[in-house]
Amino acid sequence: GIQVEQSPPDLILQEGANSTLRCNFSDSVNNLQWFHQNPWGQLINLFYIPSGTKQNGRLSATTVATERYSLLYISSSQTTDSGVYFCAVPYGNNRLAFGKGNQVVVIP
Amino acid sequence: GAGVSQSPRYKVAKRGQDVALRCDPISGHVSLFWYQQALGQGPEFLTYFQNEAQLDKSGLPSDRFFAERPEGSVSTLKIQRTQQEDSAVYLCASSLKLPSGLRESARDEQYFGPGTRLTVT
Repeated sequence: GIQVEQSPPDLILQEGANSTLRCNFSDSVNNLQWFHQNPWGQLINLFYIPSGTKQNGRLSATTVATERYSLLYISSSQTTDSGVYFCAVPYGNNRLAFGKGNQVVVIP
Repeated sequence: GAGVSQSPRYKVAKRGQDVALRCDPISGHVSLFWYQQALGQGPEFLTYFQNEAQLDKSGLPSDRFFAERPEGSVSTLKIQRTQQEDSAVYLCASSLKLPSGLRESARDEQYFGPGTRLTVT
């Protein structure tokens, strides 16, 4: 199956700092999703981004499908941004393959 | 509108007991997926339905795991004779996915429920 690698695995940020999370995948894909898993375990959809760049408030994402990677940018981080960020790509019957996640802790 | 819902949110089972986990997908969503998430890991695929048809069950870890979606909406994941290694969060996801083969951007986007945390003692 397709391999998904996320980096860095753990990140500690001071409130107000910016950060970039990276997702590499091993095969061509036709879409990619970024999720935020909150402390209660809920996976929240952030972006559906097969290619190009999208922005949503302080978050933005860029996928370069030809080079098999995607980036998630967090600007002016807040404590509510803490949690685990997952990227996921489809294979087979659109099942999603997830990376191991980026654990982000934002300290006040 | 309402998102994906799952029940129960928490389940404690003694080893050897059978459990049933329920998923209510977003109304009108054709595709339904079950995933298993171990502590500290990303979710892993278990099985996939398109309407009532189970098209892929290759991720089910053993024949103790069984899933159904008889009317093409609500789905149930059943685990028989639970073992300690079955302890995990079980996530359900749904997507619109037009069955005609037409593909528009975001039709395949999956939306997840809050999960059921299963602990086998």
